[in-house]
Amino acid sequence: TQLLEQSPQFLSIQEGENLTVYCNSSSVFSSLQWYRQEPGEGPVLLVTVVTGGEVKKLKRLTFQFGDARKDSSLHITAAQPGDTGLYLCAGPGEAGGTSYGKLTFGQGTILTVHP
Amino acid sequence: GAVVSQHPSWVICKSGTSVKIECRSLDFQATTMFWYRQFPKQSLMLMATSNEGSKATYEQGVEKDKFLINHASLTLSTLTVTSAHPEDSSFYICSARGGGWNTEAFFGQGTRLTVV
Repeated sequence: TQLLEQSPQFLSIQEGENLTVYCNSSSVFSSLQWYRQEPGEGPVLLVTVVTGGEVKKLKRLTFQFGDARKDSSLHITAAQPGDTGLYLCAGPGEAGGTSYGKLTFGQGTILTVHP
Repeated sequence: GAVVSQHPSWVICKSGTSVKIECRSLDFQATTMFWYRQFPKQSLMLMATSNEGSKATYEQGVEKDKFLINHASLTLSTLTVTSAHPEDSSFYICSARGGGWNTEAFFGQGTRLTVV
């Protein structure tokens, strides 16, 4: 099983601040995904990164995949209370697998954005 | 994206009873479904993978006799927690994907199980 280490586990910030969440592994991943989950609901896919060095933007969210495909980051600019939630990175659950099969998840980052 | 629905959204049961959770793909045929478990403020842990018409593959440490998975049709998989105990209380989430190696898996909304 490939492991993903996510940090920080908790983030409590004020509206308008920027933040970065990290997802690291000692293994190479063919792709990594980022999800957002609200309490009592299933995770919702935000993005899939596939190419080393890739940068994807989703409004105020910027996702980066490390050159070696062992790490990824999620940066949120000017956070808003609506960004509050659990952010999860995920990758193929086994070496050689894809993001379309079983997934292994990072520990998650609980983000709270205060008005 | 495609819709995956779980039922019930929440359930409370007495210790020793069994509970069945359904996972349905509403607008596509799901050849593979995954069952995850999530404790409060923790991440998702894969329990098992089920392919339509065959036995589920369980992850290490997951008791297959306790967590019965049936994937009898291309739109429905069920997870039955047998002889539930308070420590089985958790958030159970399924995901489903259609055929083809490059089809994304979509998550259900989860089922909150509380065993009292």
